Amino acid sequence: AQSVTQLDSQVPVFEEAPVELRCNYSSSVSVYLFWYVQYPNQGLQLLLKYLSGSTLVKGINGFEAEFNKSQTSFHLRKPSVHISDTAEYFCAVSDPGPGGSQGNLIFGKGTKLSVKP
Amino acid sequence: DAGVTQSPTHLIKTRGQHVTLRCSPISGHKSVSWYQQVLGQGPQFIFQYYEKEERGRGNFPDRFSARQFPNYSSELNVNALLLGDSALYLCASSLKTVGTEAFFGQGTRLTVV
Repeated sequence: AQSVTQLDSQVPVFEEAPVELRCNYSSSVSVYLFWYVQYPNQGLQLLLKYLSGSTLVKGINGFEAEFNKSQTSFHLRKPSVHISDTAEYFCAVSDPGPGGSQGNLIFGKGTKLSVKP
Repeated sequence: DAGVTQSPTHLIKTRGQHVTLRCSPISGHKSVSWYQQVLGQGPQFIFQYYEKEERGRGNFPDRFSARQFPNYSSELNVNALLLGDSALYLCASSLKTVGTEAFFGQGTRLTVV
């Protein structure tokens, strides 16, 4: 079974500093990769996704991620964070289920990003 | 356009009771998935439905069941509630099952006492 490891449970950072949230996944086969953000008491919002093609993926709110197949990683980066980026971030991989369906998402445990003024 | 809507937003139930959670997908979306998010953890996959058929099931006991209706809305049912069922239940809709973005609702916060 596939698994996703988010290496940092909490990341504190000062406003306008760069940030990297790390994510590793276990599968050696082709997968789809996603980063979601969750603000308090809300659902999940998609930041970006990798399906195929360029390994550098740009998302909303200035975030980007790089797919590295050899290292099975999909780290999320932002060059300059804002207070409003304070939230929990989840990395997810799609699981190829029966019949080729890849809709099931396997999530990591999340990384809480705390941006301080 | 309305996003994914879930009802109710909050719910308190007693151990042993039954609960039904409801989800309306984005218009045009035929796939609905359910996830359980326990406090401090990432969401865990429970079910996926597409065109009213079950397309995937996570590692949850038979107390959990779901169905999808002709209008693509969905219900998640949980019988014989346990304290450990307390969680945020998230519904996600997507156009298809494969490789398309899943849009999540705000969730239903279930507390079992």
